[in-house]
Amino acid sequence: GQSLEQPSEVTAVEGAIVQINCTYQTSGFYGLSWYQQHDGGAPTFLSYNALDGLEETGRFSSFLSRSDSYGYLLLQELQMKDSASYFCAVSDMDSNYQLIWGAGTKLIIKP
Amino acid sequence: SQTIHQWPATLVQPVGSPLSLECTVEGTSNPNLYWYRQAAGRGLQLLFYSVGIGQISSEVPQNLSASRPQDRQFILSSKKLLLSDSGFYLCACSVGADTQYFGPGTRLTVL
Repeated sequence: GQSLEQPSEVTAVEGAIVQINCTYQTSGFYGLSWYQQHDGGAPTFLSYNALDGLEETGRFSSFLSRSDSYGYLLLQELQMKDSASYFCAVSDMDSNYQLIWGAGTKLIIKP
Repeated sequence: SQTIHQWPATLVQPVGSPLSLECTVEGTSNPNLYWYRQAAGRGLQLLFYSVGIGQISSEVPQNLSASRPQDRQFILSSKKLLLSDSGFYLCACSVGADTQYFGPGTRLTVL
């Protein structure tokens, strides 16, 4: 079957670095995406990895290891506005490239 | 870039009443379109997706239906709402296999 696992909640301190992990099981893996969702808002796209390695976009980086079926989102220099839920999602070739979504990780940032 | 419009933003409906939520897309042609539902504090559940006009695929058996009368219009409907239909409804579009863009969502409460 298809599944994604990510922690339900992570707590960090303002200014620190936090890593949110995602492991997946899919039959037709194509790529791994990360989305951010603030309370009451819609998900917004953060990053996409199709190949192994690290992709950096400002304070956010995303990593993928296809051989380990694993990826992570790294947030640096945490700010209070980064408090949100973060979802990993896999594009699956065997499901017409639909996104298979994780349950989300709630990131709590303390001052 | 794509812009997704959804309305209304919030909706309170009695059990047994009909529902029609509309989603329109600007800035792209022939997109893939999606309807998701999200319960409070939970992940995204894919309800329907469409790869073209009149082409609808349903992911879960339910009380809802979807239609795509035009290339950039996607409608979610119900003839008789149930309490369990309450949730946050999100319309999304994609062109490639990597990124989905979301509308602002409709928060539906069925009483």
